[in-house]
Amino acid sequence: AQSVTQPDIHITVSEGASLELRCNYSYGATPYLFWYVQSPGQGLQLLLKYFSGDTLVQGIKGFEAEFKRSQSSFNLRKPSVHWSDAAEYFCAVVLSGGYQKVTFGTGTKLQVIP
Amino acid sequence: DTEVTQTPKHLVMGMTNKKSLKCEQHMGHRAMYWYKQKAKKPPELMFVYSYEKLSINESVPSRFSPECPNSSLLNLHLHALQPEDSALYLCASSQERGQHSTDTQYFGPGTRLTVL
Repeated sequence: AQSVTQPDIHITVSEGASLELRCNYSYGATPYLFWYVQSPGQGLQLLLKYFSGDTLVQGIKGFEAEFKRSQSSFNLRKPSVHWSDAAEYFCAVVLSGGYQKVTFGTGTKLQVIP
Repeated sequence: DTEVTQTPKHLVMGMTNKKSLKCEQHMGHRAMYWYKQKAKKPPELMFVYSYEKLSINESVPSRFSPECPNSSLLNLHLHALQPEDSALYLCASSQERGQHSTDTQYFGPGTRLTVL
């Protein structure tokens, strides 16, 4: 069965510092990969997605992610974090061709300190 | 416009009440979803509608009853809920290009449900 692992439950970074959130997936087939962000009490907002092609994907709010098939990873990065980036981040996977069923990771809560 | 709207924002109900959650999108999407999210947990899929027909039911108890009256609207009817059903209920929608493609799901802000 497909699974998604976000090893870091909670991360604290200083404003202006760089950020990397880890995501690993367990899958035999080619996955479709997503990163979503959720502010407290809010719905999920799509940051970026990878379906195929260039393995470095640019998203909104200055985020990017890199798909590494050899490491089964899809880590999210941002070069300089803003206080407004404090939120919960979810990595998600969909089996290609197996539409509709999204598997979410357990989430990483990002805290930004001044 | 990638907006999915949900009403109400908050709902408090007793275990004997009947209430409904509403979700609406005007993006021309033909797949709509209900998710349940408990605190500090990822969303869990409940139901999927494709072209107004129920295509996935993730073994959800019958006290939750989904309805898709048209391609823009998705309802979730609630009856005889339990306190453990308290959660954030998220609606999402996506294009529906067929079984061999995958489309991005766009989420609404959710309804915070409290069952007393």
